[in-house]
Formats: sequence, C-alpha cells, structure tokens
Amino acid sequence: QVHLMQSGAEVKRPGASVKVSCKTSGYTFTDHYIHWVRQAPGQGLEWLGWINSNTGDTEYAQRFRGRVTMTRDTSVSTAYLHLSTLRSDDTAFYFCARDKDFSWDYWGQGSLVIVSS
Amino acid sequence: EIVLTQSPGTLSLSPGERATLSCRASQNLSSSYLVWYQQKPGQAPRLLIYGASNRATGTPDRFSGSGSGTDFILTISRLEPEDFVVYYCQQCGGSPYTFGQGTRLEIK
Repeated sequence: QVHLMQSGAEVKRPGASVKVSCKTSGYTFTDHYIHWVRQAPGQGLEWLGWINSNTGDTEYAQRFRGRVTMTRDTSVSTAYLHLSTLRSDDTAFYFCARDKDFSWDYWGQGSLVIVSS
Repeated sequence: EIVLTQSPGTLSLSPGERATLSCRASQNLSSSYLVWYQQKPGQAPRLLIYGASNRATGTPDRFSGSGSGTDFILTISRLEPEDFVVYYCQQCGGSPYTFGQGTRLEIK
C-alpha cells in the first residue's frame, strides 16, 4: 500500500537550516508530484511548493522563494524539503503529500520543526 | 491567488444531525479543482472529496460535496462522534494551492 514516511522532529536555532525527508513506498515514485505543506501549531494549512518527482522540476510559493529548496532522490523514492534562514515563525509541522489528478491522496505523518533560541 | 473562505469557523451540532459546511472562492473555480480534507488532532489531513463531489476511497457515504463557480458545500448527513474534527477546502487548480482557514465541528 502507498506510504509516505517522514523524518523525525528537529529543533533548530534561528538562522539555521533544516532538511526534512519524505520516503515513499507502494507506488512508482516518479509517477506523482510531491507537495509540501506546513501547519503552525493550532493554525491552518500553508502550501510551500511542489516537486516533479520524475524531472526534478519545482515550483515554490512566492513567500518562500529564496529560502526553500525541494529535491528528490529517485533511487530511494524520497523527496526532501530544505528550508534555510529559519525564524521562530517557521515552527510548524511540515507535511509531504502525493499529488494525484488534482487532489492530494496520501500524506506523510508530518515532521515537527521547532525554531527556538 | 484564489482565496477560499470557509464558514462557519466553528459549527456546534449533535450526533445524528446534519452538517453543512461552506467554502467560497474569491473567483470562479472549476469544480474539478475543489477538494475537501478532514483533519483529526495530531494527524495529517485526509482526502475526503475531490472534484467538488467525488468521494475519495474510504470516505463514508454520509459525506457529500456539491457546488460550482465560487460556492461549494460539504454536507455530512448524519453526524457520527468521529466526525467532530476540522475540515478544510482546497483549490488544486494551480499555484499557489490555497486552503480555506478550516471549519471546526464541535459537539453541542
């Protein structure tokens, strides 16, 4: 069955960077885009961008351009989110989600990133 | 950017009652691109409805979606205890992929 397994929680200092992984299984990795979304504690959902798992092409939400990089490694069916110059308001759960025909049908369990001095 | 506005923010109902959740888009949106998710505490969102009215695999038939243009509705015909969580609408037509702010369903 389809499964997206994300890396564990991270605690970072302001100004640092974080890399979150999303290891997929149960389907052909290169057949589906992966989106990244975040959710601050008690808040709503915010889209960060997508990566074409086949070509590596990306598109980022405007407010994150310059700070976010999405990559993938097809050999291990894994997508990565790298966010730099972290601020306290980047504290959130970060989710990966599989894109299927204009909906996101499978999600990772979420990775908590805490930014604190 | 398409802004999605959900109402009400919180809906207080009793098990067995009917729930009607609204999602209004700031501009016309193809119904193909309107999606509903359910999120339980401590979990990732779960796909409920895609294409405005199509139930995803595993979605109980008490959930239904409707609407077109700028106005979309999620209806839960008879509330079960496990339905009292948060619901988000989303537009998947193109970037930026925006979400509504969510409707919290609480037990009255």
